[in-house]
Amino acid sequence: QQQVKQSPQSLIVQKGGISIINCAYENTAFDYFPWYQQFPGKGPALLIAIRPDVSEKKEGRFTISFNKSAKQFSLHIMDSQPGDSATYFCAASIRTGRRALTFGSGTRLQVQP
Amino acid sequence: DGGITQSPKYLFRKEGQNVTLSCEQNLNHDAMYWYRQDPGQGLRLIYYSQIVNDFQKGDIAEGYSVSREKKESFPLTVTSAQKNPTAFYLCASAGGGGELFFGEGSRLTVL
Repeated sequence: QQQVKQSPQSLIVQKGGISIINCAYENTAFDYFPWYQQFPGKGPALLIAIRPDVSEKKEGRFTISFNKSAKQFSLHIMDSQPGDSATYFCAASIRTGRRALTFGSGTRLQVQP
Repeated sequence: DGGITQSPKYLFRKEGQNVTLSCEQNLNHDAMYWYRQDPGQGLRLIYYSQIVNDFQKGDIAEGYSVSREKKESFPLTVTSAQKNPTAFYLCASAGGGGELFFGEGSRLTVL
């Protein structure tokens, strides 16, 4: 059972454009929603994360928008750069219990110069 | 440097062989995790451990085994019972804040 659905599978954006990746979750007990960035052959690294008590969080060019009633959250990358080309994963977890992250299937982003 | 060290980076296995992937962390984290990554499927949880001498099955534990004898170490054994072991394996640890820190991964190929 896929508890976190991510779209699109791949995305091509021009340099300077906005990249938008969407995720939807099913388990209403999730209370931690991070985004990870992964370069080829490397492990994922935390990019930005949000908890459900806020609707938006911004760090530099990266913004998470969170809609609790719709059970959806999204990553916006403003002024996308070629160096942002990577695979992005959304994830969700419950802070109590096993605390393991459930990941989306990933979005491969390519920013063209 | 604080972090997660996985070894080997690349590993080849013949059919029917067991192999063990190493994961060491010096972040003083209690929780450690093993994920498997296949193209187009994201990361799937194999096993996790929240404390020394205790571990739990994740979503795809069949054909794998782990141990947690030391806080710093969480090795994963891929047994011959795992039907499709070729994959990229990622180890992670977590402190109290919930953020997972990942190693560089180990790529296993069955010949």
